[in-house]
Amino acid sequence: AQKITQTQPGMFVQEKEAVTLDCTYDTSDPSYGLFWYKQPSSGEMIFLIYQGSYDQQNATEGRYSLNFQKARKSANLVISASQLGDSAMYFCAMREVNDKIIFGKGTRLHILP
Amino acid sequence: GAVVSQHPSRVICKSGTSVKIECRSLDFQATTMFWYRQFPKKSLMLMATSNEGSKATYEQGVEKDKFLINHASLTLSTLTVTSAHPEDSSFYICSARDGGQSSYNEQFFGPGTRLTVL
Repeated sequence: AQKITQTQPGMFVQEKEAVTLDCTYDTSDPSYGLFWYKQPSSGEMIFLIYQGSYDQQNATEGRYSLNFQKARKSANLVISASQLGDSAMYFCAMREVNDKIIFGKGTRLHILP
Repeated sequence: GAVVSQHPSRVICKSGTSVKIECRSLDFQATTMFWYRQFPKKSLMLMATSNEGSKATYEQGVEKDKFLINHASLTLSTLTVTSAHPEDSSFYICSARDGGQSSYNEQFFGPGTRLTVL
């Protein structure tokens, strides 16, 4: 069974609009971490934001925020005021107690001028 | 953030040869490093967990004798693809866990190595 589910294989968004990338996860561990990474065409994995399972507040990093709904096992990434440079592949990932990071299948985001 | 390097960034080799990929943590000590494989337009698949001074732990379905991992020091892990075949062509990415004071022990990713086997 998939542990990280990203249901949007691709998205097209107009520049300057906000965009929400969906992510749901499945784990029985009480302690886990959730990550979002950006992968541009160059291939490098760029860390965007982290949310711990015990964190009370939603994580924010600049234009990125994570909408963490623990009961629904949802960890959506919100990008405000999208820019052309935001066009990339985005991966949701979860770190389990054994420190392994499991990745979702990714969402390819296209920002339109 | 911390820096992880990989060498080489690209390699093309003939079928049957072996290829070594290095992963280095440049400004921190990494007790644990991870190796991932990524097929075109696909997600990252964890291949193995590499702990300094001990044998690597491989994920189910990954051939240990095919993908040799050595983590000889706190800053270097190597992945050797032995007797490479065209189906081994892929993008290989390593990550290193900072065992320091990071609040959530973030993993830092290398830039990746694109392997093409002819």
